[in-house]
Amino acid sequence: RKEVEQDPGPFNVPEGATVAFNCTYSNSASQSFFWYRQDCRKEPKLLMSVYSSGNEDGRFTAQLNRASQYISLLIRDSKLSDSATYLCVASGYSTLTFGKGTMLLVSP
Amino acid sequence: DAMVIQNPRYQVTQFGKPVTLSCSQTLNHNVMYWYQQKSSQAPKLLFHYYDKDFNNEADTPDNFQSRRPNTSFCFLDIRSPGLGDAAMYLCATSRDDRGYSTDTQYFGPGTRLTVL
Repeated sequence: RKEVEQDPGPFNVPEGATVAFNCTYSNSASQSFFWYRQDCRKEPKLLMSVYSSGNEDGRFTAQLNRASQYISLLIRDSKLSDSATYLCVASGYSTLTFGKGTMLLVSP
Repeated sequence: DAMVIQNPRYQVTQFGKPVTLSCSQTLNHNVMYWYQQKSSQAPKLLFHYYDKDFNNEADTPDNFQSRRPNTSFCFLDIRSPGLGDAAMYLCATSRDDRGYSTDTQYFGPGTRLTVL
């Protein structure tokens, strides 16, 4: 069974904190990986793609470890607007497999 | 600017009364997907069209059907909605010309279905 596992949280952090999420995937044939952000009752929106050894986009850093089959997302200097659910996604053969998401709550 | 459009945004239907949800896209993407998402759960892929080729997920109930009359439009038909079909239905598109992996998926705003 192809699965993507995430800690559902919620992660409660103060503004300015650094927070990290991890995600594991079971299908070793997965080829591309993504982090999506989903606000309450809204559609998922692409936060960032994760290729090969990972990448950084401003306050967000994503890492991929193929040997251990996990992906991480690091958010630095958390903002109130970062409060959302973060979905880890693995893809292959024209389909995506979503994790259930990790909820982040950033408080003042 | 809307790239993936879903109508209606909110749909209320009665138990057993057929309903059709629509999705259109201006991205000219060749792949279109329908997902079902229930509260606190991951989006669950129901099926997708790779160009005109229909790909059904093994565990998608027969109650769910889809049509793609052209590149821009895709419909989700629920023949006899049950209470358990109440969910958010998300349409997504991607450009995939390799056939073995997928480009970024762009989601529409979703249609929230209520079954009375």
